[in-house]
Amino acid sequence: IAGITQAPTSQILAAGRRMTLRCTQDMRHNAMYWYRQDLGLGLRLIHYSNTAGTTGKGEVPDGYSVSRANTDDFPLTLASAVPSQTSVYFCASSGGDYNEQFFGPGTRLTVL
Amino acid sequence: GQNIDQPTEMTATEGAIVQINCTYQTSGFNGLFWYQQHAGEAPTFLSYNVLDGLEEKGRFSSFLSRSKGYSYLLLKELQMKDSASYLCAVFDSNYQLIWGAGTKLIIKP
Repeated sequence: IAGITQAPTSQILAAGRRMTLRCTQDMRHNAMYWYRQDLGLGLRLIHYSNTAGTTGKGEVPDGYSVSRANTDDFPLTLASAVPSQTSVYFCASSGGDYNEQFFGPGTRLTVL
Repeated sequence: GQNIDQPTEMTATEGAIVQINCTYQTSGFNGLFWYQQHAGEAPTFLSYNVLDGLEEKGRFSSFLSRSKGYSYLLLKELQMKDSASYLCAVFDSNYQLIWGAGTKLIIKP
């Protein structure tokens, strides 16, 4: 793989179900992020991790949890999905000359 | 609070020039990014400014004035493939990235 991958690409989920969105990067970046993007609201940070073993809360963390067991993987879990969590979810990592963020292709999640 | 303002939508003609403005009010400043996002795709990095002035990269240029809290992205010789959303984002004093809602650019033939 090259860059960041996310799985699944899309998912329809019943309310109340548990769901884990997967994110893997192969760039050996220390910092990783989870965003949700809703029409008209732009990117909102859910959780982040500055390095393996540490995580932090972003702007909209409620209802979501993350873990960072190693450098490459940063899964996002919805413990009990609700319709307001319907969104496009992007995983990102940061590195490069300007510490810019590199994004995965996104997961389109619909909670019914 | 921290805030980034961009126009919601702009329309331009193929072959023309367009300027997309971004104003920011953040707790500190450690750099400003522009990203491009085509519909249904992920954002991709376009440019970075940390000092005042113009950074040119091919058909795209980005300008920064820190004293005015202002940046613009200039796109020249517009092509149909430039139809996309353009996102402005600022590193605040804690190096947290603050995102604008994005400007949807529509290119007409």
